[in-house]
Amino acid sequence: SQKIEQNSEALNIQEGKTATLTCNYTNYSPAYLQWYRQDPGRGPVFLLLIRENEKEKRKERLKVTFDTTLKQSLFHITASQPADSATYLCALFDGGFKTIFGAGTRLFVKA
Amino acid sequence: EPEVTQTPSHQVTQMGQEVILRCVPISNHLYFYWYRQILGQKVEFLVSFYNNEISEKSEIFDDQFSVERPDGSNFTLKIRSTKLEDSAMYFCASRPGTSEYNEQFFGPGTRLTVL
Repeated sequence: SQKIEQNSEALNIQEGKTATLTCNYTNYSPAYLQWYRQDPGRGPVFLLLIRENEKEKRKERLKVTFDTTLKQSLFHITASQPADSATYLCALFDGGFKTIFGAGTRLFVKA
Repeated sequence: EPEVTQTPSHQVTQMGQEVILRCVPISNHLYFYWYRQILGQKVEFLVSFYNNEISEKSEIFDDQFSVERPDGSNFTLKIRSTKLEDSAMYFCASRPGTSEYNEQFFGPGTRLTVL
């Protein structure tokens, strides 16, 4: 069955540093890979999407890479801020009707 | 800015009772979804709805669940006979028909507690 793995341990970094989160998947060939942010008790908020034929995508301080050979995506937040502290979800989207979410990685950015 | 809304924010019910969770997706969006998130666990896909019918559903979405878009505005999830394990946060989401990013817009969720 399809499986998504994200770092289960929380990531603690110092303000100003770059946070790097990993998403690995198996038994799936997604058309798109998405990253969402989720704050406690709230719904996920879309951040970025990368297509299967793209290697890298950037948006402000965010960067996503996608390696379909390794079946892995890396999500980077540069110049991190305490306000970036949240859980970040990797999601595989088939381009139509179904999205599968990973369990997420909690990020803590210390001032 | 348009947003997805959900009511109620918190629903408490007795095991075996029926519940209806309500969502108002963003107008002019064409795809609608329900997800659930058990406390401390991942967001799980339940069902997608397009063109007034279910387009895909997960193994979780059994005969106890149903969805409806009764009036072109609301999108509801009904659980016929709730079980303890149905206790979770339920999120509604909608997506435009065409979008560069295919992003889903999530509502704030309904916390369902089954006693």
